[in-house]
Amino acid sequence: EAQVTQNPRYLITVTGKKLTVTCSQNMNHEYMSWYRQDPGLGLRQIYYSMNVEVTDKGDVPEGYKVSRKEKRNFPLILESPSPNQTSLYFCASSTRDSGNTIYFGEGSWLTVV
Amino acid sequence: QKEVEQNSGPLSVPEGAIASLNCTYSDRGSQSFFWYRQYSGKSPELIMSIYSNGDKEDGRFTAQLNKASQYVSLLIRDSQPSDSATYLCAPHQAGTALIFGKGTTLSVSS
Repeated sequence: EAQVTQNPRYLITVTGKKLTVTCSQNMNHEYMSWYRQDPGLGLRQIYYSMNVEVTDKGDVPEGYKVSRKEKRNFPLILESPSPNQTSLYFCASSTRDSGNTIYFGEGSWLTVV
Repeated sequence: QKEVEQNSGPLSVPEGAIASLNCTYSDRGSQSFFWYRQYSGKSPELIMSIYSNGDKEDGRFTAQLNKASQYVSLLIRDSQPSDSATYLCAPHQAGTALIFGKGTTLSVSS
């Protein structure tokens, strides 16, 4: 079954404690991306990757890091989380070609206190 | 900076009516246009895609595209309470990041 898997799905953490949200896809997709979603602000892109070892900043990259060492994995790293990073996070993947469906993970609810 | 504009709503329609959702975009290089539906707290799901000017129908949904006007719309006929959700517009150019509009919230009352 084609899927994008994110972990953890729910997390409450404290300010400054490094955390990683993992994302894995089983469709051999080149394109992967992270979004955060906040009330009234829609889906905002954090980082995206067009292929292994190729990553680019999205609209709101501050406070986040990513890496793409393998095609299937695209972890999101919060080195020093702050309360303004409390949000719902989605990982997504697709082929590079235009017109192809983007697949979303189920989302990760992150609360930073 | 690519921009995708949608009325945030809420758009309220009675059950059985036609709901009309609109989207304008700034990137003239966009080749594909997607409409996603998102229920609160859930991940977005693709409901329509359109690539050429004109209309594309799929069941109760019709997408309309006008590239010259940089405008894409989604019509939902015979609206049902289960259609109540946020609808996200996403124009896309191959090889670039997929950017979404902020979405229009639709409320269908029974």
